[in-house]
Amino acid sequence: GAGVSQTPSNKVTEKGKYVELRCDPISGHTALYWYRQSLGQGPEFLIYFQGTGAADDSGLPNDRFFAVRPEGSVSTLKIQRTERGDSAVYLCASSLSGGGGTDTQYFGPGTRLTVL
Amino acid sequence: GNSVTQMEGPVTLSEEAFLTINCTYTATGYPSLFWYVQYPGEGLQLLLKATKADDKGSNKGFEATYRKETTSFHLEKGSVQVSDSAVYFCALTPRANSKLTFGKGITLSVRP
Repeated sequence: GAGVSQTPSNKVTEKGKYVELRCDPISGHTALYWYRQSLGQGPEFLIYFQGTGAADDSGLPNDRFFAVRPEGSVSTLKIQRTERGDSAVYLCASSLSGGGGTDTQYFGPGTRLTVL
Repeated sequence: GNSVTQMEGPVTLSEEAFLTINCTYTATGYPSLFWYVQYPGEGLQLLLKATKADDKGSNKGFEATYRKETTSFHLEKGSVQVSDSAVYFCALTPRANSKLTFGKGITLSVRP
């Protein structure tokens, strides 16, 4: 079946602009995660949704970052007033239930964000 | 907090060589442990996992054993192939929630 998809695959924007990144999880997966991967580093957790609600947003770096999942499927990561330091690959993952660390997360191909 | 430490890379091996990639972790309780792989031009894929102490995860000839006493989850393969060239990430999730904590990753290059 279809895996996790993310759009756009690449996004170039100017400092100060607003961007939206979209994630379509695997059908039927209730848990959805956003991570950010900087060059030469492992992915870093941003936020986790269980259904429509954000179960853990402790990884969001500041209030310029916000994410929604209004119908419990597609999610959008929104970044306001982008800064050059926001440049990274943004990864989305989904899992069947999100329970207790044993549930496998399946990753999308990522969106490469470049802030000029 | 939780953390994962991987050995420094990159690693370059000849085909059919033995591979060990070290991974140690810091976490409270009994986390689940994972190895993810990223092949060139592709997304992150789960390679193997272990959810409790002394469990051995295995896939595609790779193995890793969950060692609680040494807080380690080293990845091994007896005979690497050129197609194993990729970036390998060690990761953990705690019991209480599902967020993954990753190591920095290590690049493996296998030459013919």
